[in-house]
Order: sequence, then C-alpha cells, then structure tokens
Amino acid sequence: AQSVAQPEDQVNVAEGNPLTVKCTYSVSGNPYLFWYVQYPNRGLQFLLKYITGDNLVKGSYGFEAEFNKSQTSFHLKKPSALVSDSALYFCAVRDGNTGFQKLVFGTGTRLLVSP
Amino acid sequence: GAGVSQSPSNKVTEKGKDVELRCDPISGHTALYWYRQSLGQGLEFLIYFQGNSAPDKSGLPSDRFSAERTGGSVSTLTIQRTQQEDSAVYLCASSLGMRADEQYFGPGTRLTVT
Repeated sequence: AQSVAQPEDQVNVAEGNPLTVKCTYSVSGNPYLFWYVQYPNRGLQFLLKYITGDNLVKGSYGFEAEFNKSQTSFHLKKPSALVSDSALYFCAVRDGNTGFQKLVFGTGTRLLVSP
Repeated sequence: GAGVSQSPSNKVTEKGKDVELRCDPISGHTALYWYRQSLGQGLEFLIYFQGNSAPDKSGLPSDRFSAERTGGSVSTLTIQRTQQEDSAVYLCASSLGMRADEQYFGPGTRLTVT
C-alpha cells in the first residue's frame, strides 16, 4: 500500500527567502507524485506532478519539486517566497504500476510566509 | 471552462437525519472521486467512479455512506442517520481518468452535524 509523510505541520519563512516543504513517500511500483495547495475556504488546486523523466519538475506560481528516488522524497521548493503563498500544501502519491487510481494524501503542511 | 461544482456549500443537520451532497464534475472527465477532510486531518478517500466500471468503495467508513453517479456525470454522496463524527468538509474531484492525470477539486461541502 502506498503512503505519504509530510513531517512538518507548519513551515515558517520570511518573504523573499527560499522555501522547502518536505514530502517522503512509499509505494511498491513506480511513484506518480503530486503537490496540491489549499487556500482558506477553497478546494485543492493542482500545483505540479512527477510521472517520469526529469527529476526537477516545474509547476504553477513559480513552484518546483525535485524527485529523489534513492531518498523516496519529493520536496516542494520555491526560490523566493511570497506572502500570498501562505496556504496548506498537500503531497500525494499513486502507484503507477497498478490500475488502482486512488491518490493517497499526506496530512498537509501549513506554510506561513511573513512580510 | 467550468470547474467542479458542489452543492450545497454548507449543510447543517441534526444527528440522525439523512443528507445528500452533490457533485458536478468537469465535462468529459470520466473519473470522479469523493474525499473527506476533517479539521486538522489530511484527505480521506471515500469512493471512486471510473466510467461504467463498478465503483471502488473501499474508503467508505460505514454502511451509512453511499454514493451514486448517474449517466457518468453528476454524483450524489448520501449519508444516512448522520452522526457528529460525520462533520467534515466533503470534497469531490474529477479527472480525465488516466493514472497520470491530476485531479481537479471542487470547493467542497462543509457538513456540520449538531
């Protein structure tokens, strides 16, 4: 069975500084990895995904994530944080080798960017 | 184009009553998912529909929960004899149906059971 761990409940960063939100995963087959963001009182919005190919994937709003197979990680990054990036971030994984389409989500990391 | 829509946005009900939550997926999306998000928790998978295949109900927490999808489009999640622990935000998502596809989420229905 697949699983996702987001070890930090909250990440605090000052505006203009780089940010990293951590995610590690466990899956028996090839991992399909996703990041979603949830703004207050809104549904989840897709940010980016890794399916295959280049380990560094770029997504919406200047975010990127690096797939590291040996460390089973898929950390979300942004070179320069904005106050408007403050939100709840979810990492999710699916096993790409099976027909099972359920996405397994982490418990989320709250990002707080201070002015 | 239009995104995933859900109704109602908020629902307050008394313990023991039945509730129906509606989801309208993006046109052309063959896959539809229901999740539950409780305060301070991640997303809990409930049920998944893919085209005309039998739904994957493995995440439904009890037999009080059921869902249907009519005509491959609109879906209704029904909770019978609601309990206070059912209070949560219920999120619906849809996708094109391939494993690599991202899911598009609706704004959710906030259910409060008093």
